[in-house]
Amino acid sequence: QKEVEQDPGPLSVPEGAIVSLNCTYSNSAFQYFMWYRQYSRKGPELLMYTYSSGNKEDGRFTAQVDKSSKYISLFIRDSQPSDSATYLCAMSAYGTYKYIFGTGTRLKVLA
Amino acid sequence: DAGITQSPRYKITETGRQVTLMCHQTWSHSYMFWYRQDLGHGLRLIYYSAAADITDKGEVPDGYVVSRSKTENFPLTLESATRSQTSVYFCASSESGPGLGASADTQYFGPGTRLTVL
Repeated sequence: QKEVEQDPGPLSVPEGAIVSLNCTYSNSAFQYFMWYRQYSRKGPELLMYTYSSGNKEDGRFTAQVDKSSKYISLFIRDSQPSDSATYLCAMSAYGTYKYIFGTGTRLKVLA
Repeated sequence: DAGITQSPRYKITETGRQVTLMCHQTWSHSYMFWYRQDLGHGLRLIYYSAAADITDKGEVPDGYVVSRSKTENFPLTLESATRSQTSVYFCASSESGPGLGASADTQYFGPGTRLTVL
C-alpha cells in the first residue's frame, strides 16, 4: 500500500464548477501538507501549504486537512479553464526533508 | 531572477552511456533535491543535499550519482544509462529543511529534463 493515495482522474468539470481533489495517507507522523499544481511539460508549483489539521483559504483555493481521518482536500471555487492541470498532494513529517507525493489528479475545466 | 534552471531540457541517449543533468539555482538555497516523475508513481526522490558537500540517498538512488561542490549547482549523473531510467527529472530547492514554516522549507521546482534512453 502506498503511503499517499490520490485518484489519478482525469476529472472533467464545466467552467464555474466547484472542484474537490483529495488524498488519503497512512502515516500518522505527517504534519505538513502541500498542494502543487503542474501544467503539462512544466515543473510543479506550490499552491497551498498547511500545517496539521484545519482549513486554509487563498483566493479561490481552500485546503482542508483532517488528520483523524488521514484525509486532505483541495477545493477550487469558480473553476476556470486555466485551472486545467495535474494537482499533486505532498506531505512530510516533522524533522524530515522528505516530501511524499501523491501520483496526481488530472483536472480539465471545460469552457 | 532566473530561480531554478535545468539543462538540457530534452535528452536522448543510448543504453550504457553516461549522462549528466544539470541543475542551477540563484536563491542560495541550502537544500536541493532530485526527483524522477513516472506515470503511476508520481514524484520519487533520488538524492538530496542539505548543503555543499553534503548529499544523501532518497527513495530510488540506484544507478545515479550526485555531487555538490557549490551551493548553487547540483548535477545528477547516470553512470551507465538503462532504459528504466527513461523519465522526467526534476530538480528542486528549498531555503531550509522541514518544519520551519512554508516560506523556509517550501520546495521550488525547476522545469524538468525529459530523458529518453534507447
